Amino acid sequence: AQSVTQLGSHVSVSEGALVLLRCNYSSSVPPYLFWYVQYPNQGLQLLLKYTSAATLVKGINGFEAEFKKSETSFHLTKPSAHMSDAAEYFCAVSAPISNFGNEKLTFGTGTRLTIIP
Amino acid sequence: GAVVSQHPSWVICKSGTSVKIECRSLDFQATTMFWYRQFPKQSLMLMATSNEGSKATYEQGVEKDKFLINHASLTLSTLTVTSAHPEDSSFYICSAYGLAGYNEQFFGPGTRLTVL
Repeated sequence: AQSVTQLGSHVSVSEGALVLLRCNYSSSVPPYLFWYVQYPNQGLQLLLKYTSAATLVKGINGFEAEFKKSETSFHLTKPSAHMSDAAEYFCAVSAPISNFGNEKLTFGTGTRLTIIP
Repeated sequence: GAVVSQHPSWVICKSGTSVKIECRSLDFQATTMFWYRQFPKQSLMLMATSNEGSKATYEQGVEKDKFLINHASLTLSTLTVTSAHPEDSSFYICSAYGLAGYNEQFFGPGTRLTVL
């Protein structure tokens, strides 16, 4: 069984400040881990994913996340927040499969990121 | 790009009626489509996986007779909520996989179902 916990349902940061969204996972097998972003009235969009290669994963829009097995964490960061980063962010986990993209995803409850001008 | 649409975006129905939600991959052929349900302030929960031309695989605890899934073509999957009740009110989201060169699922914008 797999699960993810996102700490903080709401996070507010000032424009230009560091963005840190927390995600901890639980998995009985080496996991695949994902971060998705959802803008209002749009579908979830993949930001980045970890699939057992490099532990530091770089994604779109300047976001990155680091897989830390010892901490069972996959926190999402961005050095400098932009107003356009305001959205809902979801962390997800799946069991490893060979057919990338066909994973059965288990999502966290989401974190709403607000950017303060 | 890869676009997945859902129709309708929101629907209100009376208890006991059936509601059909469509999920379409607009610019690619989806070999697999996933259906999720999201309750307020909760995470997306996978309901079922459907592959074109075959029966859907339901997750544990999901009633297959209540949530009928059909994936009749490579661009369309439908979810029918039969004899809907207020507890079925939720946000239903689909995703589609199969775009050549893209190892990821593409998500629709979701359908808000309210059962009165």
